[in-house]
Amino acid sequence: GAVVSQHPSRVICKSGTSVKIECRSLDFQATTMFWYRQFPKQSLMLMATSNEGSKATYEQGVEKDKFLINHASLTLSTLTVTSAHPEDSSFYICSAWDSSGGYTFGSGTRLTVV
Amino acid sequence: DAKTTQPPSMDCAEGRAANLPCNHSTISGNEYVYWYRQIHSQGPQYIIHGLKNNETNEMASLIITEDRKSSTLILPHATLRDTAVYYCIVRSRRTGANNLFFGTGTRLTVIP
Repeated sequence: GAVVSQHPSRVICKSGTSVKIECRSLDFQATTMFWYRQFPKQSLMLMATSNEGSKATYEQGVEKDKFLINHASLTLSTLTVTSAHPEDSSFYICSAWDSSGGYTFGSGTRLTVV
Repeated sequence: DAKTTQPPSMDCAEGRAANLPCNHSTISGNEYVYWYRQIHSQGPQYIIHGLKNNETNEMASLIITEDRKSSTLILPHATLRDTAVYYCIVRSRRTGANNLFFGTGTRLTVIP
């Protein structure tokens, strides 16, 4: 079946630095990818939707200049958390949509900002 | 997409069937019912989906009522590895790549 690889699985960074998270569709082309954030004991909250070759669409309240999303190819989308602060510590998850209508999720990235 | 209502938590004895209910009373004719689960600190995993008819795969069975206003996910022989949060999601397959809206889900705990 479809596989989405998300890296890194866990990252600790210092406050003020930037962190890049990669999401790759391994055996299919993902025209659309979604980025979610999940705080402890809460559900997944959509941050942004990215379409290959175009600018991402951000949900209300999500700062586009802080969470940079690039979807330069049909198999790769990246999320960069810029100038990270402790409140950005969370579980970040990507999801890829393929043309057959299926959604495949990455394994998630646990970000801790110290 | 129609919203769903699920109980916040359920327990199930290991080896017994786990029946997870979901209400989706505002579902429309072209909307499917999807089930995903999320094991702690992992990404959601697809389980099953259906439109009208009951569906079964190697993981679970999905029972949809005739009026389609509710459904039940059945894990026939629950194991400890089935402990997870289960999400029932309703969406149309015809609207292209739209976000999957995750509600609060049901936290299933399988007890030894």
